[in-house]
Amino acid sequence: DSGVTQTPKHLITATGQRVTLRCSPRSGDLSVYWYQQSLDQGLQFLIQYYNGEERAKGNILERFSAQQFPDLHSELNLSSLELGDSALYFCASSFGTGQPQHFGDGTRLSIL
Amino acid sequence: SQELEQSPQSLIVQEGKNLTINCTSSKTLYGLYWYKQKYGEGLIFLMMLQKGGEEKSHEKITAKLDEKKQQSSLHITASQPSHAGIYLCGADNQAGTALIFGKGTTLSVSS
Repeated sequence: DSGVTQTPKHLITATGQRVTLRCSPRSGDLSVYWYQQSLDQGLQFLIQYYNGEERAKGNILERFSAQQFPDLHSELNLSSLELGDSALYFCASSFGTGQPQHFGDGTRLSIL
Repeated sequence: SQELEQSPQSLIVQEGKNLTINCTSSKTLYGLYWYKQKYGEGLIFLMMLQKGGEEKSHEKITAKLDEKKQQSSLHITASQPSHAGIYLCGADNQAGTALIFGKGTTLSVSS
């Protein structure tokens, strides 16, 4: 158990819809990272938050957004969903830069 | 942009055999991490290497970092069925704000 909690584990929805993925980091970790894993692209970094503020952006689409709340949990919002958005979405947390990231079990998103 | 290449892509070994997985970076390595993933599940952190020549071991798994070659290797001694899974190497990007991952090495251990 990594200590990082992601909900829901599975999500099935239709094209054009909007979903919210939730992540609770390990106790004491200030940084939260979101990654997308697909068969063709592998594991890709989306966005990082540190203590409530956006720190870095990766290959995140404009249809996607995220935020980190005062209690440090984070949400990833995906809108106008397309078939290609089907993937495993991971949240990871770390205490800070240069520290190992610990991953949650992921949310499997299926777009029908 | 930085890329990590892992080799081999997949590996089938007999239980009890040793094996090595390599991870080569296209750019300077600032921090190198090894993770294990069961298919469709979360990543389990194995080890972190930060300095050239650094070597770490955990149970039967040893990882080394060759800074000059921009390469890391993961060696498993006397493999067991429990070692089966996907091994991923990740590296800090230059800003230290994210990890860049290799495509992974799928390990199967036959008993």
